[in-house]
Amino acid sequence: QVQLQESGPGLVKPSETLSLTCTVSGGSIGTHYWSWIRQSPGKGLEWIGFIFYTGRTDYNPSLQSRVTISVDTSKNQFSLRLSSVTAADTAVYYCARIQAHWYMDVWGKGTTVTVSS
Amino acid sequence: EIVLTQSPVTLSLSPGERATFFCRASQSISNYLAWYQQHPGQAPRLLIYDASNRATGIPARFSGSGSGTDFTLTISSLEPEDFAVYYCQQRSRLIYTFGPGTKLDVK
Repeated sequence: QVQLQESGPGLVKPSETLSLTCTVSGGSIGTHYWSWIRQSPGKGLEWIGFIFYTGRTDYNPSLQSRVTISVDTSKNQFSLRLSSVTAADTAVYYCARIQAHWYMDVWGKGTTVTVSS
Repeated sequence: EIVLTQSPVTLSLSPGERATFFCRASQSISNYLAWYQQHPGQAPRLLIYDASNRATGIPARFSGSGSGTDFTLTISSLEPEDFAVYYCQQRSRLIYTFGPGTKLDVK
């Protein structure tokens, strides 16, 4: 059974870059698309972007200028970088698997990231 | 961007009752709609995809319907574990947006 685990710093300073990694276990990263989603009290659930093992990506237009999602097939991991963060980027960040019908069917437990000096 | 609105904001019901949730899209999304359930402190769980298909392992008491702009999620007879927040999500043109959620609580 596929499981996902987010990891990364829980505190990031304003204007710096948020970096998170999602480790996929119980299956190969090469079989699906993978996504990042975040959830904050102010904005609810917000899709950030997705990636395929080939490196194909697509991003939320509202975040596109600040987001990079990458994949490391040797480690069965994919990663999120969000630059120039502000307090508005404080959220629980989830990684998720995208199933054949293009919906998120397996989610990590989520990791809380706070942007504060 | 396609905006999803959900109603009601809160639904107060008792175990055994029928629950109905509504989701409306700002423009037609065909049947590209999913429903998720989220308990406090947990990740969302996929219930229904493409408007009416139950995800793997989802009980038959959950059903979805609709197409175009108006969609419905129904729980036929509430179990104690069903009290949670329910979100709809659309994937038109592979740009995903979520609704604000409906909280189902115990009456």
